[in-house]
Amino acid sequence: DTEVTQTPKHLVMGMTNKKSLKCEQHMGHRAMYWYKQKAKKPPELMFVYSYEKLSINESVPSRFSPECPNSSLLNLHLHALQPEDSALYLCASSHNTGVRLETQYFGPGTRLLVL
Amino acid sequence: DAKTTQPTSMDCAEGRAANLPCNHSTISGNEYVYWYRQIHSQGPQYIIHGLKNNETNEMASLIITEDRKSSTLILPHATLRDTAVYYCIVRASGDSNYQLIWGAGTKLIIKP
Repeated sequence: DTEVTQTPKHLVMGMTNKKSLKCEQHMGHRAMYWYKQKAKKPPELMFVYSYEKLSINESVPSRFSPECPNSSLLNLHLHALQPEDSALYLCASSHNTGVRLETQYFGPGTRLLVL
Repeated sequence: DAKTTQPTSMDCAEGRAANLPCNHSTISGNEYVYWYRQIHSQGPQYIIHGLKNNETNEMASLIITEDRKSSTLILPHATLRDTAVYYCIVRASGDSNYQLIWGAGTKLIIKP
């Protein structure tokens, strides 16, 4: 099983709403990632979790709050977003982020629209 | 960090080999070249990676020049399902190996 799943596929939310994106993998990977992708642009790294601990935050605004409840799950909590936060949010995983290189496997993404 | 440059778009006839070039003239000795592709409205899909030697797998071949300043991804028999944006990426080894430095991508259109 080399699949990363993400829910929901689509999400529309107002600027005062609180919502969460979910990501799951059952490959035994210990590193998980959140990316943001705007239209016609490559993905931009947001957060990296390694062994369920946040290891990288690429200066992401606090209205995005990641959480890793266990080694298979990764959440992204959203609160007070702006319309410019509308994008495709991608989750990825890899075996780990150690010295040895590991391929990142991506989920299908959640397409978010903030009104 | 090394950067990559790719043509914005390319066409290829179905059944022919698709050759996608990538320049990475500032690549460092410990940086790998990765290729991912993204079919419309899907997540990126890993294709292949290499450091110095040419590589081949069931999806594609990767040819890296001897000076490592450029590479070519080859899809040997392109099908309509290969229509996608192809990203050439350099990736550091060591402490920063989580970091994928994405190029702008080449939109490859396979024509019947």
